[in-house]
Amino acid sequence: LAKTTQPISMDSYEGQEVNITCSHNNIATNDYITWYQQFPSQGPRFIIQGYKTKVTNEVASLFIPADRKSSTLSLPRVSLSDTAVYYCLVEVTASKLTFGTGTRLQVTL
Amino acid sequence: DTEVTQTPKHLVMGMTNKKSLKCEQHMGHRAMYWYKQKAKKPPELMFVYSYEKLSINESVPSRFSPECPNSSLLNLHLHALQPEDSALYLCASSQQLGGGGAATTGELFFGEGSRLTVL
Repeated sequence: LAKTTQPISMDSYEGQEVNITCSHNNIATNDYITWYQQFPSQGPRFIIQGYKTKVTNEVASLFIPADRKSSTLSLPRVSLSDTAVYYCLVEVTASKLTFGTGTRLQVTL
Repeated sequence: DTEVTQTPKHLVMGMTNKKSLKCEQHMGHRAMYWYKQKAKKPPELMFVYSYEKLSINESVPSRFSPECPNSSLLNLHLHALQPEDSALYLCASSQQLGGGGAATTGELFFGEGSRLTVL
């Protein structure tokens, strides 16, 4: 079963835009793509969800190309408190919601 | 109430002990999940319940026994665990299962997890 892959880590300065990609070649046809943020020893927290094209909320944007085999989470102006691990979550087979490999984002001054 | 509550937050048990992890939600969600997360790894799906029936078992060893007594509660019974079972166990819920004929996968709401240490 193909993995849902993400870059292992990213570094950014405060105030910059950060884009994190997720590759999900075997996403189910009708599935949404969801992104989560996780701090150490806490449960993942919902950031944003989309099905195609672009979705924006108060904290992030999600870009999904037409083939839906990847997605990009965009955090517009990161702060120190955005230091966390970011996961995409997709349905790779019926009802099996599978996390991506995770991206550890480190934000510094 | 948009919370998923897990108890206990921390659990230390010996390999011969029997213990249980509990999860509760009052959002009217009909799908509930157990995930296992090892350090620096993504959460791995263990079990999924839909309308109180076990829908998915990801080939989890029988020393882990899930139970869904009603639509608000999810338990994970633990017996004869091994030290390598030490992990953060996460419970989640969603309005319904994804898949089927429509893009209806909802947001997963996660609890804060139960940190299990097996000695």
